[in-house]
Amino acid sequence: GAVVSQHPSWVICKSGTSVKIECRSLDFQATTMFWYRQFPKQSLMLMATSNEGSKATYEQGVEKDKFLINHASLTLSTLTVTSAHPEDSSFYICSARSGPNTGELFFGEGSRLTVL
Amino acid sequence: QKEVEQNSGPLSVPEGAIASLNCTYSDRGSQSFFWYRQYSGKSPELIMSIYSNGDKEDGRFTAQLNKASQYVSLLIRDSQPSDSATYLCAVRGNYQLIWGAGTKLIIKP
Repeated sequence: GAVVSQHPSWVICKSGTSVKIECRSLDFQATTMFWYRQFPKQSLMLMATSNEGSKATYEQGVEKDKFLINHASLTLSTLTVTSAHPEDSSFYICSARSGPNTGELFFGEGSRLTVL
Repeated sequence: QKEVEQNSGPLSVPEGAIASLNCTYSDRGSQSFFWYRQYSGKSPELIMSIYSNGDKEDGRFTAQLNKASQYVSLLIRDSQPSDSATYLCAVRGNYQLIWGAGTKLIIKP
């Protein structure tokens, strides 16, 4: 399957700081990437859909000014958690489709964020 | 609202037996269905996709789709302890996947 790489895999930061997470499609071009958040023992929650060269589409209840998404190229999308607080601590996962007409998603390894 | 329903489990199955995981969906027009496996602390990985009614087999895994009854299932033959994980059912909506909450599967040695 297609390979999606996510970095960093874990990060610990102080409250009030910003954290950037990168998501790269290594062997294909991804016009669309998806950012999910997952709290312990809960299912995936879609945060936003990232489209190359345009603004991200955020799901209801997700603050776009807090979770900044940039999809500047066909192989890279970034999620920046701004002014992080302890309640932002979670497992953040990106995913991408290998083609526009396929529903199969390939996931990055995930980034575990802990805000102190 | 389009929904995907799964029994949260845990589903406990003896090693070597067949594990049967079920999923129902609300949108009758759905055409694409997926099973993902997620180990604790890891991200999901795609196991099977199915688009047509009937069975689709891949190794020890068989996906079954019944569009008339709006359910999709995953069978795991000769279950191994390494199959212990949470299995997520996903159905393609208009532009994104609709996710079930997942079924936790435990394979007992």
